[in-house]
Amino acid sequence: EVQLVESGGDLVQPGRSLRLSCKGSGFTFGDYAVGWVRQAPGKGLEWIVFIRTKNYGGTIEYAASVRGRFTISRDDSKSIAYLQMDSLKIEDTAVYYCIRVRRNYGFDIWGQGTMLTVSS
Amino acid sequence: IVLTQSPGTLSVSPGERATLSCRASQSVSSSFLAWYQQRPGQAPRLLIYGASNRATGVPDRFSGGGSGTDFTLTITRLEPEDLAVYYCQQYDNSPWTFGQGTKVEIK
Repeated sequence: EVQLVESGGDLVQPGRSLRLSCKGSGFTFGDYAVGWVRQAPGKGLEWIVFIRTKNYGGTIEYAASVRGRFTISRDDSKSIAYLQMDSLKIEDTAVYYCIRVRRNYGFDIWGQGTMLTVSS
Repeated sequence: IVLTQSPGTLSVSPGERATLSCRASQSVSSSFLAWYQQRPGQAPRLLIYGASNRATGVPDRFSGGGSGTDFTLTITRLEPEDLAVYYCQQYDNSPWTFGQGTKVEIK
């Protein structure tokens, strides 16, 4: 079964850091771009970042809301993508979904989500 | 690109048709317009890609259409399991953006 499983969500204080992980299975992880979408409580979906495959240079795109604070990386040998989140703000509170990205198909696989709460 | 979905909420009887609209602030290539379904308490799932192509396992009562700045998602013969929020999304130009969602309620 093709799936993505996120982990690492937690309750953290403003200004602190946290790293989320996303493990893929059932497909060749290194052949696909992956990224993250978040959803604040009771709100809609917001794409925040994705990373291309090594074949496409592993280039990265960030949404303005997280650029300079969040960093995505990938370890294809482990089939894991990471989201390092620094200088966290209260408005970063959300469920974070890992996504598989296919240029002609959109976000075709979603993880179940992991919750980040930023609060003092 | 800003995507505006309408209506905000749609209340439809089982067996009836639901038509959801997604309007873009500038032209979007049909190749890169998708629709997602998010049932209560669940992660979103891909329904339609390339404006009109059903994703794997999506029933044929779901169909997408449109071009340029106006796109639609139609659900014919609505079933209780279609209770969900539906989002359109463009992945033509970064930053990729979602509409605010249309909630489909079952009468």
